[in-house]
Amino acid sequence: DTEVTQTPKHLVMGMTNKKSLKCEQHMGHRAMYWYKQKAKKPPELMFVYSYEKLSINESVPSRFSPECPNSSLLNLHLHALQPEDSALYLCASSQDGGGGPDTQYFGPGTRLTVL
Amino acid sequence: QQQVKQSPQSLIVQKGGISIINCAYENTAFDYFPWYQQFPGKGPALLIAIRPDVSEKKEGRFTISFNKSAKQFSLHIMDSQPGDSATYFCAASMGWGSQGNLIFGKGTKLSVKP
Repeated sequence: DTEVTQTPKHLVMGMTNKKSLKCEQHMGHRAMYWYKQKAKKPPELMFVYSYEKLSINESVPSRFSPECPNSSLLNLHLHALQPEDSALYLCASSQDGGGGPDTQYFGPGTRLTVL
Repeated sequence: QQQVKQSPQSLIVQKGGISIINCAYENTAFDYFPWYQQFPGKGPALLIAIRPDVSEKKEGRFTISFNKSAKQFSLHIMDSQPGDSATYFCAASMGWGSQGNLIFGKGTKLSVKP
């Protein structure tokens, strides 16, 4: 099973709201990722967690706050977003080790609209 | 040096034809080259991947050709079908055996006409 699940599928929020995106995988992967994807663009890396520790933060504004409660779960907490933050937010996971390719498997994404 | 250049930006092919998408990279430290297929409103899905010590890999109608000396690789879709209409991203990483960040090309929107 190579499934990464994300909730919610769609989210509409105002600029003063606080919301969270959730991601879950049960493949035993030890690396998890958040990406942001704008229309007609490739995914843009935001954060990487490796073995539940934040290993990469691609200079993302502090209004995005990631959290990795355990090896299967990844959250992205949102606060005081701007309309330009509207995008498809993708979660991915990969094995991180094991001698083979570190293939990233993506979830279906959360379509976020900021009003 | 971290870039992956992908062409064409868009491609229209007749049903049954061959679709060819090309990518080029500069960083010789890349050791893993996956292709992703993405349908509108969905997440990217791994299609096929290759290592630089292999010149060609085929899975069904999809083939990757890899030219290490030219630092180029391409995706060939044989007998293209309307259901193949999607955006295709090539990528590169240093992710063989450990976590590797994906460097994506800009994507190619493929339309297969019936």
